[in-house]
Amino acid sequence: AQTVTQSQPEMSVQEAETVTLSCTYDTSESDYYLFWYKQPPSRQMILVIRQEAYKQQNATENRFSVNFQKAAKSFSLKISDSQLGDAAMYFCAYRSLSGNTPLVFGKGTRLSVIA
Amino acid sequence: DGGITQSPKYLFRKEGQNVTLSCEQNLNHDAMYWYRQDPGQGLRLIYYSQIVNDFQKGDIAEGYSVSREKKESFPLTVTSAQKNPTAFYLCATKWTSGGTDTQYFGPGTRLTVL
Repeated sequence: AQTVTQSQPEMSVQEAETVTLSCTYDTSESDYYLFWYKQPPSRQMILVIRQEAYKQQNATENRFSVNFQKAAKSFSLKISDSQLGDAAMYFCAYRSLSGNTPLVFGKGTRLSVIA
Repeated sequence: DGGITQSPKYLFRKEGQNVTLSCEQNLNHDAMYWYRQDPGQGLRLIYYSQIVNDFQKGDIAEGYSVSREKKESFPLTVTSAQKNPTAFYLCATKWTSGGTDTQYFGPGTRLTVL
C-alpha cells in the first residue's frame, strides 16, 4: 500500500520569505499523481498544486512550486514571498493511476507566517 | 451556487445514537468520498463511491454506513458501533478531464458525541 510521510509537523516563516515543506511517499508504481492541499482555519480543503508523475517539469502555480524528485520519491512544496494568508495546514497526497483509487494523505504540516 | 454542500456545520449527538451526515453536490461528478479528520492524523478514508448504487469501504469503514441512490447525494451514517465518532468529517467529489483528475472538498461537518 502507498504511504505518504510529512516529517515536519510544524513550520514557520517570516512574511515575504520563502519556505519549503517536505513530503516523501512510498510506491511501487511508475504512474501516479501528487497533490498539495491547503486547509486554512476555516477547514475548507483547497487544492494548491498538482503534479503528474510522468511529467519531468515541476509544477508551478504563482507563488507555489514543487520540487518533484521521482527517483527519491520526494515531493516538496516551496512557497515564495509568504503572506499571512498562507498560514494553514498543508497536506501532501498521492493517487495511483490504476483504477479509481482514492487519495492517500500525509498527516500534514502546520505553517505559521510571522508578520 | 455550485459546489459541494455539507450540512450541518456542527452536529451534536448523544452517545449510542445513529446520526446521518449530509453531502450534496451539483457538479455532476461521478465519484464521491467521505474522509474523517482527527488532530495529528491527517485525512482517513471512510467510504467512497464511483457511481450510483455502488460504494467501497475505505481504511476506517467500521461503524459507518453509506448509500448512493442519487448521483448528487452521498450521505454518511455514523452508527452506535463507531467507538470514537467525535471528529471532523469531509466529503469530496472527483472531477476527471483530459486524463487527469482532481478532488474537491466540501466545507465539512464537525460531529461531537456527548
